[in-house]
Amino acid sequence: DAGVIQSPRHEVTEMGQEVTLRCKPISGHNSLFWYRQTMMRGLELLIYFNNNVPIDDSGMPEDRFSAKMPNASFSTLKIQPSEPRDSAVYFCASSLRTGYTDTQYFGPGTRLTVL
Amino acid sequence: SQQGEEDPQALSIQEGENATMNCSYKTSINNLQWYRQNSGRGLVHLILIRSNEREKHSGRLRVTLDTSKKSSSLLITASRAADTASYFCATVGGGGADGLTFGKGTHLIIQP
Repeated sequence: DAGVIQSPRHEVTEMGQEVTLRCKPISGHNSLFWYRQTMMRGLELLIYFNNNVPIDDSGMPEDRFSAKMPNASFSTLKIQPSEPRDSAVYFCASSLRTGYTDTQYFGPGTRLTVL
Repeated sequence: SQQGEEDPQALSIQEGENATMNCSYKTSINNLQWYRQNSGRGLVHLILIRSNEREKHSGRLRVTLDTSKKSSSLLITASRAADTASYFCATVGGGGADGLTFGKGTHLIIQP
C-alpha cells in the first residue's frame, strides 16, 4: 500500500492567497483526519470525517478554513485567505474505524509557509 | 488543546541504555497511543493501549497505563541511534470522539 498521500509537500504563498492542501487516504479506510503542527501549539486536530461525512470541525481555527471529502479517496483542506499565522505543517491521517482499533496512519505532511 | 503532557521534554542517553518517557492526561479516555516522529517527517504509530489494559509490549517497546493517575509510560529497551526522534502520546476520548489529542512530545536523542 502507498500509505496516505499528501500534496503538495511544500507550499509557499503570500498573505491573502488561497491555499488548497490535498490528501488521499489509504484505500479501504473510512475515517480521515486533518491535523496541524506548530512549535507553539503542537499537534492539533482540525477536523475529521467518517464515511466522507464531517463529524467534528470544532478544531478548525476560523471561517477561513474549510475541508471537504467528496469521495472516499480524496479530501481537501482550503485556507482562504491565508495569513502568516497559518504557517505550519498540515498532516492528513486515515484509519479503519471498526469500533475496536483506532490506529491512525499519517501522511508525510504539507509544510505551508505564508509570507 | 493539549491533553497529554510528556515528561521529560528532552532526553539524551547512550546507545544501549533504556529510555523512559511519561505522559499525563486530563480527561477520561478510550485508549492511549504512542507515536514517533522523525525530524521533518510524519508520525508513525507505535503502540495502542486500551483503557482496560495496564501493560502492553511490542518488540523493544513497553507501555503502561494507570487510569487512576491518568498517566502512561513508554519504555524503549536497548536503545539504538535510529530511535532518535520525538515521541508523542495521544489520547482518544472516552466519549467516543475519534480524533487524537496529542501531548507536546519528548525529544529523544540516542548518543552512539
